[in-house]
Amino acid sequence: GAVVSQHPSRVICKSGTSVKIECRSLDFQATTMFWYRQFPKQSLMLMATSNEGSKATYEQGVEKDKFLINHASLTLSTLTVTSAHPEDSSFYICSARDEDRAFEKLFFGSGTQLSVL
Amino acid sequence: KQEVTQIPAALSVPEGENLVLNCSFTDSAIYNLQWFRQDPGKGLTSLLLIQSSQREQTSGRLNASLDKSSGRSTLYIAASQPGDSATYLCAVSPGGFKTIFGAGTRLFVKA
Repeated sequence: GAVVSQHPSRVICKSGTSVKIECRSLDFQATTMFWYRQFPKQSLMLMATSNEGSKATYEQGVEKDKFLINHASLTLSTLTVTSAHPEDSSFYICSARDEDRAFEKLFFGSGTQLSVL
Repeated sequence: KQEVTQIPAALSVPEGENLVLNCSFTDSAIYNLQWFRQDPGKGLTSLLLIQSSQREQTSGRLNASLDKSSGRSTLYIAASQPGDSATYLCAVSPGGFKTIFGAGTRLFVKA
């Protein structure tokens, strides 16, 4: 089945540094990928929609200068948390839709646990 | 605005019990509904996807039903096992690309 690979799985960084998270679709092309954020015991909140070759679409309340998204190829999207602060600590998950398959099924990466000290 | 609610928020059952997880959504104009499993600190695994024109889907011990007109879906787990312990998320897609998730049901199956 379709696989979405997300790296790193866990990162600990100092406040003020930037962190890049990669999301790759391994066996399909994804013109659109999605980035979610999840706080403990809460559901996934969509942060932004990543569009290959164009600017990402951010949800209301998400700072685009804080969470930089690049979707340079049909198989790779990156999320960079710039100047991270402790309140950015969260679980970040990406997903992609295999548009060549029926029913627009979503496939998810394994997630990245970000801890900002 | 579409809202997805899952009841119960948490559930603890003995091994072998059959159980039902509930999901409700406020806007019946959906394209599909998907049930996911999430283990602690991990990503999501898709369990079942039901198209808006379908009534149910089955995979092994899992059966998901959809009543679009009433805005409800249920996930039935037969003969539960400790390995079924996880958080189960319901998500609806109104078409296009957005997907709205419920808060999940945390399931614990006791051996």
